[in-house]
Amino acid sequence: EPEVTQTPSHQVTQMGQEVILRCVPISNHLYFYWYRQILGQKVEFLVSFYNNEISEKSEIFDDQFSVERPDGSNFTLKIRSTKLEDSAMYFCASSVTSGGTEAFFGQGTRLTVV
Amino acid sequence: AQSVSQHNHHVILSEAASLELGCNYSYGGTVNLFWYVQYPGQHLQLLLKYFSGDPLVKGIKGFEAEFIKSKFSFNLRKPSVQWSDTAEYFCAVKTNNQGGKLIFGQGTELSVKP
Repeated sequence: EPEVTQTPSHQVTQMGQEVILRCVPISNHLYFYWYRQILGQKVEFLVSFYNNEISEKSEIFDDQFSVERPDGSNFTLKIRSTKLEDSAMYFCASSVTSGGTEAFFGQGTRLTVV
Repeated sequence: AQSVSQHNHHVILSEAASLELGCNYSYGGTVNLFWYVQYPGQHLQLLLKYFSGDPLVKGIKGFEAEFIKSKFSFNLRKPSVQWSDTAEYFCAVKTNNQGGKLIFGQGTELSVKP
């Protein structure tokens, strides 16, 4: 069964450093998403991406964040200068369409900023 | 703003007990509704979904949910839980004016005692 894969599973970084979280969505999916879950809190939407551009982003997704689909298979989330409060589990998801189909989630990357 | 509310943060049941997890959302228009499950150390997996039609939907592993439009609810049920159902359960809503973005509830942790 096709699945969304994320790497790494756990990333520890120092405050102020840049991190790149990687995702390989399901191959025939066209819509890609990043969500995050701070420990003990709900899963929050960050950004959606379609046709090589951001289609929607949340207030959390400020100038420190960016997304890219560099090679047609990977979908990356970059945080330019990490802060302590960026520590969270980051989930990538993909779907065939934006409505009428479900999103499939990766296993998540746990980001710890120290 | 749209929101999703799950009534229980932590539910503890014995095996064979019946389960009902509450989920309410705030949005007056057309919605797609989902329940995802996250087993310890694993990614979010879709349990069941509602797009249209019969408001009683059946999912995997014996779970079902009923969409009651007048109550803005989508409660998850299972007649007899097993120890293996121990996991975190997330209700999520997709509205027809937000592309593919999912709005999640805060999650309910289910612990089933053998």
